[in-house]
Amino acid sequence: ILNVEQSPQSLHVQEGDSTNFTCSFPSSNFYALHWYRWETAKSPEALFVMTLNGDEKKKGRISATLNTKEGYSYLYIKGSQPEDSATYLCALLFMSGGGADGLTFGKGTHLIIQP
Amino acid sequence: DTGVSQDPRHKITKRGQNVTFRCDPISEHNRLYWYRQTLGQGPEFLTYFQNEAQLEKSRLLSDRFSAERPKGSFSTLEIQRTEQGDSAMYLCASSSHGGFEQFFGPGTRLTVL
Repeated sequence: ILNVEQSPQSLHVQEGDSTNFTCSFPSSNFYALHWYRWETAKSPEALFVMTLNGDEKKKGRISATLNTKEGYSYLYIKGSQPEDSATYLCALLFMSGGGADGLTFGKGTHLIIQP
Repeated sequence: DTGVSQDPRHKITKRGQNVTFRCDPISEHNRLYWYRQTLGQGPEFLTYFQNEAQLEKSRLLSDRFSAERPKGSFSTLEIQRTEQGDSAMYLCASSSHGGFEQFFGPGTRLTVL
């Protein structure tokens, strides 16, 4: 069983502060790593899809890095805003069946931004 | 914008009843996935369709669960003889052939009393 671990499970951050959290995984045998943001009562929203070691992606105040050799990805949020409050999910598409299998998710990091 | 839609958004049922959920994927996407999320866990993969063919099923999908995608467009997930352990959020996602990104619907939250 290939587990995807996310830490911390939950995080309270003061508005304006920057924060980061981690996704770790046991194997480099995957096609892609995904970060999703999931707000209550909404659809999970794709933030980044990362495939290569050393990948760095950025969207506004949010960025992510990928290290496949050591088995982790970081998600960074700069200058947190209340609208960043959500659960952030990491998911991997492992190479187990031709690349069309389902994603393996971590349990998520629940982020609360305090005004 | 016609993203992935799911119906109903909420379902409350009594133990032993059958329930059916529907997912409408993004129209040009030929791949469709079902996931289940229980409290405190991340979403877990249930099954996957390419067009109308169901190509993979997780061991989580017991024989009380059945999924169909009859014309390669919308999909249904049926749970027969529901149990309290079936209470969860059921998510549907779709993707295009050759694309890694999966686009999710808002989910159907099932509560079994």
